[in-house]
Amino acid sequence: DAGVTQTPRHEVAEKGQTIILKCEPVSGHNDLFWYRQTKIQGLELLSYFRSKSLMEDGGAFKDRFKAEMLNSSFSTLKIQPTEPKDSAVYLCASSLDWGYEQYFGPGTRLTVL
Amino acid sequence: GDQVEQSPSALSLHEGTGSALRCNFTTTMRAVQWFRKNSRGSLINLFYLASGTKENGRLKSAFDSKERYSTLHIRDAQLEDSGTYFCAAEDDSGYNKLTFGKGTVLLVSP
Repeated sequence: DAGVTQTPRHEVAEKGQTIILKCEPVSGHNDLFWYRQTKIQGLELLSYFRSKSLMEDGGAFKDRFKAEMLNSSFSTLKIQPTEPKDSAVYLCASSLDWGYEQYFGPGTRLTVL
Repeated sequence: GDQVEQSPSALSLHEGTGSALRCNFTTTMRAVQWFRKNSRGSLINLFYLASGTKENGRLKSAFDSKERYSTLHIRDAQLEDSGTYFCAAEDDSGYNKLTFGKGTVLLVSP
């Protein structure tokens, strides 16, 4: 079975641009998560979907971050407009259901200039 | 404050020795996961526990929801065990989201 896949692996954007990160969860998993990882804050939850329904949209990240799950096997995270402080590694994870472990993708390293 | 407090932040071991990492929780957690970040930066699953203990090779983990902590024991450390280890816990809100500790950087030396 393929694990969680994320594309691109690296992204460089100018301040003010729109970028879209992509994630494919493990086949058959019902829960999908987007996290952001920085050295200072560690790993923070951005969005959480259960069976394609948005359960949590990350509070402080609502402003310029929008995650969507168009079907059960694909999700996107849009950042619009990007700011230098958005530079981080963005991780996608999936889980079979409540009560099961999460599996993480390799991440997308975003650099905003 | 942080819901998941992981310690130590850094740990040095000689090959063949062992130690424990610990995560304390400020609220009741339903389950805990332990990860290791590999050389490519990916999070590798080590354990998932809703209670009790689990063992896999030279690693053993325990989780006590009532006492609000989890541990990861490493015995007979090898050079390839070096890396960053994270604990992450699910609260009992019914949502399947993880709150991460800040990580422990483990260095195993000859």
